[in-house]
Amino acid sequence: AQTVTQSQPEMSVQEAETVTLSCTYDTSENNYYLFWYKQPPSRQMILVIRQEAYKQQNATENRFSVNFQKAAKSFSLKISDSQLGDTAMYFCAFMTDLNNDMRFGAGTRLTVKP
Amino acid sequence: EAQVTQNPRYLITVTGKKLTVTCSQNMNHEYMSWYRQDPGLGLRQIYYSMNVEVTDKGDVPEGYKVSRKEKRNFPLILESPSPNQTSLYFCASSASGVREQYFGPGTRLTVT
Repeated sequence: AQTVTQSQPEMSVQEAETVTLSCTYDTSENNYYLFWYKQPPSRQMILVIRQEAYKQQNATENRFSVNFQKAAKSFSLKISDSQLGDTAMYFCAFMTDLNNDMRFGAGTRLTVKP
Repeated sequence: EAQVTQNPRYLITVTGKKLTVTCSQNMNHEYMSWYRQDPGLGLRQIYYSMNVEVTDKGDVPEGYKVSRKEKRNFPLILESPSPNQTSLYFCASSASGVREQYFGPGTRLTVT
């Protein structure tokens, strides 16, 4: 069974600084997809970034980037130049190539302080 | 606008009173699913559907029912709600072969 682990229940960062959120996963599959979702106080689930396992290059989206270590089954999210609007719960998620079932970690609550 | 809608957004009910949470998507997606979100547990899948008339259990299906009579709709039914079903519920959809799910706005359910 696939599992996703986020070991940091809560984190905080000063505005304009950089923060990294950790995620590890467990799977025996070779083809899969990894995601980071953001959930602000509005509760809406917003896709931040995605990574295909077959791609060696780490995905980036503006201030958001990932460090994908396939051998270590690690998928961390780096947020650069943190902004107050980045305050949210962040979920790491995993999906295999076999179907559309998505597995989520428990989440990390990030607070950006002014 | 492409979206997944859920209704109601908030619901307070009593133990044993049947309820239905509706979910609809306008993107012609084949795949739809229901999740519940609880503190410290993330999102857990309740049921999913690969297409019309095709549904299957997720990780936590007990106490829930679903149906998929039309491609756009995927209602979640609680025949006899209990307090342990108090949670935040999300409906999601995705196109077949596309590895990204679109989420509805969530339904906050409280069962007293």
